[in-house]
Amino acid sequence: AQSVAQPEDQVNVAEGNPLTVKCTYSVSGNPYLFWYVQYPNRGLQFLLKYITGDNLVKGSYGFEAEFNKSQTSFHLKKPSALVSDSALYFCAVKAGGNTDKLIFGTGTRLQVFP
Amino acid sequence: NAGVTQTPKFRVLKTGQSMTLLCAQDMNHEYMYWYRQDPGMGLRLIHYSVGEGTTAKGEVPDGYNVSRLKKQNFLLGLESAAPSQTSVYFCASSNREKLFFGSGTQLSVL
Repeated sequence: AQSVAQPEDQVNVAEGNPLTVKCTYSVSGNPYLFWYVQYPNRGLQFLLKYITGDNLVKGSYGFEAEFNKSQTSFHLKKPSALVSDSALYFCAVKAGGNTDKLIFGTGTRLQVFP
Repeated sequence: NAGVTQTPKFRVLKTGQSMTLLCAQDMNHEYMYWYRQDPGMGLRLIHYSVGEGTTAKGEVPDGYNVSRLKKQNFLLGLESAAPSQTSVYFCASSNREKLFFGSGTQLSVL
């Protein structure tokens, strides 16, 4: 069965520093991987996805993610964090079949300090 | 541009009561989903639909029913609410590229 793991409940980073939010996955076949962000009292918003091609995927708000097949990882990154990036981040993998179901990780809270 | 709209936003129920959560999307999407979000557990899929008149079970379907009588609407029902169903419920629709989420319904069952 497809699954994702987000090993960190919370990541703290100072504004202006680079940030990384970790995600590892387990899939059978080719992985379809996603990152979503949730701001307080809001629904999730799409950030980026990997289906095939370049291992470095660029997304919204200056975020990018690096797909690493050998390490089965899909870490979210940003070169310079902003206080406004503080939110809950979810990694997700597409479940098998043709239903577009996503299996989500447990989420990582990113806190960016001024 | 409304996107995905969920009603109500908040609700408090007593154990054993029933209620229906409504999700409406104006993007003409075929696929729709109901998730619940609980602390430390992320989002878990309750039920989903791949088109009008079709529904299917997700990861945690017990205690819930759904209906998709119209393409734009996806209803989630709780026939006899239990405290374990206290959660935040999110509806989403898909354009086959990504999911679009509503702003959620916070449900407390006392």
